[in-house]
Amino acid sequence: QAGLTQPPSVSKDLRQIATVTCAGNRDNVGNQGAAWLQQHQGHPPKLLSYRNTNRPSGISERFSASRSGNTASLTITGLQPEDEADYYCAAWDISLSAWVFGGGTKLTVL
Amino acid sequence: QVHLVESGGGVVRPGGSLRLSCAASGFAFRNYAMHWVRQAPGMGLEWVSFVSYDGSHKFYADPVRGRFTISRDNSKNTLYLQMNSLRAEDTAVYYCAQEHDSFDMWGQGTMVTVSS
Repeated sequence: QAGLTQPPSVSKDLRQIATVTCAGNRDNVGNQGAAWLQQHQGHPPKLLSYRNTNRPSGISERFSASRSGNTASLTITGLQPEDEADYYCAAWDISLSAWVFGGGTKLTVL
Repeated sequence: QVHLVESGGGVVRPGGSLRLSCAASGFAFRNYAMHWVRQAPGMGLEWVSFVSYDGSHKFYADPVRGRFTISRDNSKNTLYLQMNSLRAEDTAVYYCAQEHDSFDMWGQGTMVTVSS
């Protein structure tokens, strides 16, 4: 099953802004929108946003998500050391009748 | 507080079977759809299967369709994944996840190793 496309890595300085992109198509990101998850090494994933822009309770406002066409984006402002993690996008694909994940992006905070 | 605990992982030979369980607590399990997601060592997340809140709708990823079966027992607050004809490429940590808004809450995972 075709997955979503994310950059393998992003590096930004402390307190700066990082953006992670997730490219899909009209059957997944462009149709149903995307969710974003954060995973620290050795821990299960944690939901950061869903349906493009919604943030679960308890998630910092420093995390914001958006979508433009078939591409979703996660923006993290005021980068902190604890933001260093792997970030994944996910979406329901109506043509595959399956969820698809991106390959993950490793964020390094310098 | 949502709590999901996976169990049933282990080492199995190629072609063998395992049944994973996910015990849920802290929420009305019968009202929520559930997922299985796996992660091979050093790799990314891979969705495996989904079951609706009442078990009436099930979906599978292509690599596991026909070999894995998802089910649930709402009277026991437990989700299952029956895995047959296991292959080396099925080696992974298997997570169960609650579906509310999306992949809302996750368990700690159980490791499945397929090796001869």
